[in-house]
Amino acid sequence: GESVGLHLPTLSVQEGDNSIINCAYSNSASDYFIWYKQESGKGPQFIIDIRSNMDKRQGQRVTVLLNKTVKHLSLQIAATQPGDSAVYFCAENRGAGSGTYKYIFGTGTRLKVLA
Amino acid sequence: EAQVTQNPRYLITVTGKKLTVTCSQNMNHEYMSWYRQDPGLGLRQIYYSMNVEVTDKGDVPEGYKVSRKEKRNFPLILESPSPNQTSLYFCASSLIGDFNEQFFGPGTRLTVL
Repeated sequence: GESVGLHLPTLSVQEGDNSIINCAYSNSASDYFIWYKQESGKGPQFIIDIRSNMDKRQGQRVTVLLNKTVKHLSLQIAATQPGDSAVYFCAENRGAGSGTYKYIFGTGTRLKVLA
Repeated sequence: EAQVTQNPRYLITVTGKKLTVTCSQNMNHEYMSWYRQDPGLGLRQIYYSMNVEVTDKGDVPEGYKVSRKEKRNFPLILESPSPNQTSLYFCASSLIGDFNEQFFGPGTRLTVL
């Protein structure tokens, strides 16, 4: 498959354990924060987003936490499965409130699920 | 099947030879965008479009052009490609009402010699 990052930070997690992937963002004026998953050889896939006025949002097996004080975003995956192995990107949406839709992506974290 | 398609999937070209990468979506999405992905840099937005005839620059627009004449198509044009445009390119689309849920195409691997 395509190489999406030769020296990505890597998180190795035992199958069945919970995973926590972290992201620091830069712009306190961003309106939304988003997590995407990218499997080898494929395009990114939307997981979940959170608006800047929230601090927690839950989806199916995933939870996103937003700490605006320290500009930190995390993605928690419950009961990690082999199919969760991928590169995870956080992204900021800048400008939705003003009608522009620019996105800034982080550099990604590789999640490896160990059997 | 709802999808975003890109063509070509792989392209090797030479410096200065104009090329177009096509992007098409069948989901009636208003928002479309182009990204490039380079090792260690993540994805960087090149251009985006809110609707037909409405386009705007992303973070790295230099050396690229786009057009949005039809809702379903959003081609990326490199008028005079250079080696620093060698990259993996992704097109994405979404509904304006759910803009963060972008659907990505499979990618186009471009090499400029």
